[in-house]
Amino acid sequence: DTAVSQTPKYLVTQMGNDKSIKCEQNLGHDTMYWYKQDSKKFLKIMFSYNNKELIINETVPNRFSPKSPDKAHLNLHINSLELGDSAVYFCASTQPGEVPEAFFGQGTRLTVV
Amino acid sequence: RKEVEQDPGPFNVPEGATVAFNCTYSNSASQSFFWYRQDCRKEPKLLMSVYSSGNEDGRFTAQLNRASQYISLLIRDSKLSDSATYLCVVNQAGTALIFGKGTTLSVSS
Repeated sequence: DTAVSQTPKYLVTQMGNDKSIKCEQNLGHDTMYWYKQDSKKFLKIMFSYNNKELIINETVPNRFSPKSPDKAHLNLHINSLELGDSAVYFCASTQPGEVPEAFFGQGTRLTVV
Repeated sequence: RKEVEQDPGPFNVPEGATVAFNCTYSNSASQSFFWYRQDCRKEPKLLMSVYSSGNEDGRFTAQLNRASQYISLLIRDSKLSDSATYLCVVNQAGTALIFGKGTTLSVSS
């Protein structure tokens, strides 16, 4: 059983389109994240949800809107896609504690053309 | 100043070599420290946590110096399979894990 699963794995789309990426975790964790890894391989936090509530919202264009229908799911919707949105998007989850290990999904490679 | 800084490398070493990676972090309130490993086109995975007293896991040794805000990872007897990017990660309570840009290691035969 995959602990953190994202779909789709690959996404190629045209500029201006709207797309969604889905994430689900079966670890029973309270906290989920979206990270963006750009072409320079830098993993940057975008959003964090704890028990369906937004707790971290880094400086991200408001074209990006996360949604957490329940604590096991955190989806990412992107409006009006731009070339610069091309990156790998990783979903992750942790259980807060002294040593919060993060479990990552396999990533969604988004290419905007 | 970036929150977590690492030398990007690449570090190119022969099998059997010992290699050390360093990392510095800017926020003195950081509480938890980790090394993650990321293989090409894969997701990051936890390699080991880093404790103040230093800790070892097989060929891997991690050290933390809170006064200098410095973290290190030592890999002994490098294997081909150690080739990957090693990410230094810090965390404060109630925040997300903050990743460094990673150090690339290439082990050759």
